[in-house]
Amino acid sequence: EVQLVESGGGLVKPGGSLRLSCAASGFTFSTYSMNWVRQAPGKGLEWVSSIGPTSTSIYYADSLKGRFTISRDNGKSSLYLQMNSLRAEDTAVYYCVGEKAGVTYAYWGQGTLVTVSS
Amino acid sequence: QSVLTQPPSVSAAPGQKVTISCSGSSSNIGKNYVSWYQQLPGTAPRLLIYENNKRPSGIPDRFSGSKSGTSATLGITGPQTGDEADYYCGTWDSSLGAGVFGGGTKLTVL
Repeated sequence: EVQLVESGGGLVKPGGSLRLSCAASGFTFSTYSMNWVRQAPGKGLEWVSSIGPTSTSIYYADSLKGRFTISRDNGKSSLYLQMNSLRAEDTAVYYCVGEKAGVTYAYWGQGTLVTVSS
Repeated sequence: QSVLTQPPSVSAAPGQKVTISCSGSSSNIGKNYVSWYQQLPGTAPRLLIYENNKRPSGIPDRFSGSKSGTSATLGITGPQTGDEADYYCGTWDSSLGAGVFGGGTKLTVL
């Protein structure tokens, strides 16, 4: 059974940092591109970032460049998102998502809530 | 403002067919596969349709997908109350170098 378990969310002050983690199991993590997708309260889905299987291909949403860094550790089947200079508008549930060919977001975690507030 | 455009809401009576449209451009839908996602209240999204018209195992054949040019459509035949959810289309935008989603469509079964 595929499982993606996010952790690391919580309450942080504007300007602060957080590191999200995602532990994967049930599939060959090292062969999948991985993504972070977020959803602000009451809003739609927003793609955040993706990383290829060997970390050579990395993409970010334009609005986030320079503040967020995606990384992975295939030996630990884990995905990470380092978030710096956080703003109120970054408040959202962050989902870890496994991507199959054709930009198919096949596997979704349960999400972790990040709240940016003073 | 989402890159892909979906109607905010649709409704249908049980037994009818309902369609949800997703409009994009030549750099996203026109060039790449489209997927559809269902998000039931309080849960994470799940994959419903991939590569325009394929269903993952476990997805009922009441759900169908199609694509033509720069638009895609999700069809639900005989929607049930359990299908009341938000539906999102998604793809890659080759010009932006980014994943893109529609704004989501809320389905109400009358």
